[in-house]
Amino acid sequence: NAGVMQNPRHLVRRRGQEARLRCSPMKGHSHVYWYRQLPEEGLKFMVYLQKENIIDESGMPKERFSAEFPKEGPSILRIQQVVRGDSAAYFCASSPPTSGSTDTQYFGPGTRLTVL
Amino acid sequence: QKEVEQDPGPLSVPEGAIVSLNCTYSNSAFQYFMWYRQYSRKGPELLMYTYSSGNKEDGRFTAQVDKSSKYISLFIRDSQPSDSATYLCAMKKGSSASKIIFGSGTRLSIRP
Repeated sequence: NAGVMQNPRHLVRRRGQEARLRCSPMKGHSHVYWYRQLPEEGLKFMVYLQKENIIDESGMPKERFSAEFPKEGPSILRIQQVVRGDSAAYFCASSPPTSGSTDTQYFGPGTRLTVL
Repeated sequence: QKEVEQDPGPLSVPEGAIVSLNCTYSNSAFQYFMWYRQYSRKGPELLMYTYSSGNKEDGRFTAQVDKSSKYISLFIRDSQPSDSATYLCAMKKGSSASKIIFGSGTRLSIRP
């Protein structure tokens, strides 16, 4: 059973370019979460999605960032017009449909974005 | 004030020692408490998941939650060099799918 998959693992962009980060949840999981980790800091929640729905985007910056989880295919975190401050590790997590028991979030290996 | 406070360390102990890692939090609405282990340049890996106050043991790991003090702990017995990693405490408010609030992590090093 494959875990959460993220690609690319490393992404380099110049200021002003767009970054697209992809996440495929674990098999059977329908909830996806994106977190950002700056150097020497913990993970900060960005957005929580279910298929074709954004459930909680309270951690998303108001501009340049967007996320989607289409009916088919991976979840995408998109950053437009990247700036150096966007350099970070972006982690995706997934959890199974809520069943009333522990809905543990399982994390992928992350995408490390470097903005030059 | 951060919702979750965690001493960043680094913490260095000899192999075989008992390690104690701690976090405090300010929001009494948190009900579910977790500890994740993160190796360098890897994703977080869930170690322990507990609900409300009490203890939970899994092998060499014991998690404690004291909601009255808003204090959680992770104990590692018979520590091994392979336990060297960053340990992140984490918590959330409800059992349904929701965001997790993380501490900043404690970097642990076990000396052979």
